[in-house]
Amino acid sequence: EAQVTQNPRYLITVTGKKLTVTCSQNMNHEYMSWYRQDPGLGLRQIYYSMNVEVTDKGDVPEGYKVSRKEKRNFPLILESPSPNQTSLYFCASSPWGARETQYFGPGTRLLVL
Amino acid sequence: QQQVKQSPQSLIVQKGGISIINCAYENTAFDYFPWYQQFPGKGPALLIAIRPDVSEKKEGRFTISFNKSAKQFSLHIMDSQPGDSATYFCAARINNQGGKLIFGQGTELSVKP
Repeated sequence: EAQVTQNPRYLITVTGKKLTVTCSQNMNHEYMSWYRQDPGLGLRQIYYSMNVEVTDKGDVPEGYKVSRKEKRNFPLILESPSPNQTSLYFCASSPWGARETQYFGPGTRLLVL
Repeated sequence: QQQVKQSPQSLIVQKGGISIINCAYENTAFDYFPWYQQFPGKGPALLIAIRPDVSEKKEGRFTISFNKSAKQFSLHIMDSQPGDSATYFCAARINNQGGKLIFGQGTELSVKP
């Protein structure tokens, strides 16, 4: 089944404790992206990647890091989480020829205490 | 201005009624306008999309109306059903930024039986 998977789905952590949210897609998509969803703000792009080893900042990159060492994986790293990073996070992927059609993962709900 | 403004924030419609969600934009570099549907606990999924050279696109009970001169577009759901209850996001693609999507704030639709 073609899909984008994220782990973990739910995470409670404390301020300053490094964490990684994994994202993997099995559709051989070149383009991958991370979003955060907050009430009243919609989906805001954190980082995106055009292909392996090519990443760039989105609209709200502060406090986040990403890497793209393999085509299928695009982990999101929070080096020192803060309470304002409490949010619902989505990973998405799309083929290069149809980058406007993004396939989203199921989401990761993060609470930073 | 890269914003897409979406209204209303929430909408309650009776079964069989018409649901209308509106979006407005300023950036003339937007060249593709998708709508995403998100059910609780799931990631958004592409519902229907339109290009700016078309004034209307219909797929089943879902219709996008596009007014290029007014820089507005809207989603109409005819014969709304309880199964349509979800959050809807409009979006716009920037044509010179690698397929980047800018999302609206989201509309939570509830269709009452």
